[in-house]
Amino acid sequence: ETGVTQSPTHLIKTRGQQVTLRCSSQSGHNTVSWYQQALGQGPQFIFQYYREEENGRGNFPPRFSGLQFPNYSSELNVNALELDDSALYLCASSLSVPQGGIQYFGAGTRLSVL
Amino acid sequence: DAKTTQPNSMESNEEEPVHLPCNHSTISGTDYIHWYRQLPSQGPEYVIHGLTSNVNNRMASLAIAEDRKSSTLILHRATLRDAAVYYCIPRGNTPLVFGKGTRLSVIA
Repeated sequence: ETGVTQSPTHLIKTRGQQVTLRCSSQSGHNTVSWYQQALGQGPQFIFQYYREEENGRGNFPPRFSGLQFPNYSSELNVNALELDDSALYLCASSLSVPQGGIQYFGAGTRLSVL
Repeated sequence: DAKTTQPNSMESNEEEPVHLPCNHSTISGTDYIHWYRQLPSQGPEYVIHGLTSNVNNRMASLAIAEDRKSSTLILHRATLRDAAVYYCIPRGNTPLVFGKGTRLSVIA
């Protein structure tokens, strides 16, 4: 059973650019969630995809968007990067169950915006 | 989302038990109590979850108060590898809402 993998591990961008982060879900999982973790804070929920449809969104602007593919891999896209977007971006995959499926996290992508 | 209160930090000696408390007085009747931990430079990792009765797994035990307004994560013998930030998260089939958690330090 392969775990959740994210790429790249580190990324440096400048303000105003666009970025795409990638996530490969754990085998058999139909749900992927993305989180942003600023330094010294807990992860904050960005959005969730279930069977290729957005299925919930946190308090993030529309310039944060995503995709989930038929093989359940996923992308997080951020347009018009701002300095405050510098953070660790975490992807988690799970099965959707009533009591809340266990989420399996990748190691994250650290994004620095200069 | 239920609001949680956890100590900012705790310290334990290696090979001693650790009790990590969490208050969640506004938890709904159907929310499970989940615990995750985040080791340095890693993503969060599932530890344990439960609804009403106490739960055990290979990593830890979870003791849930009878009124469900609080819970305690128990590490039976802390090791250096258990040094992490521990998050208590009441939830149903909803995204995880992380607070600031408890930073556990383990002393050799």
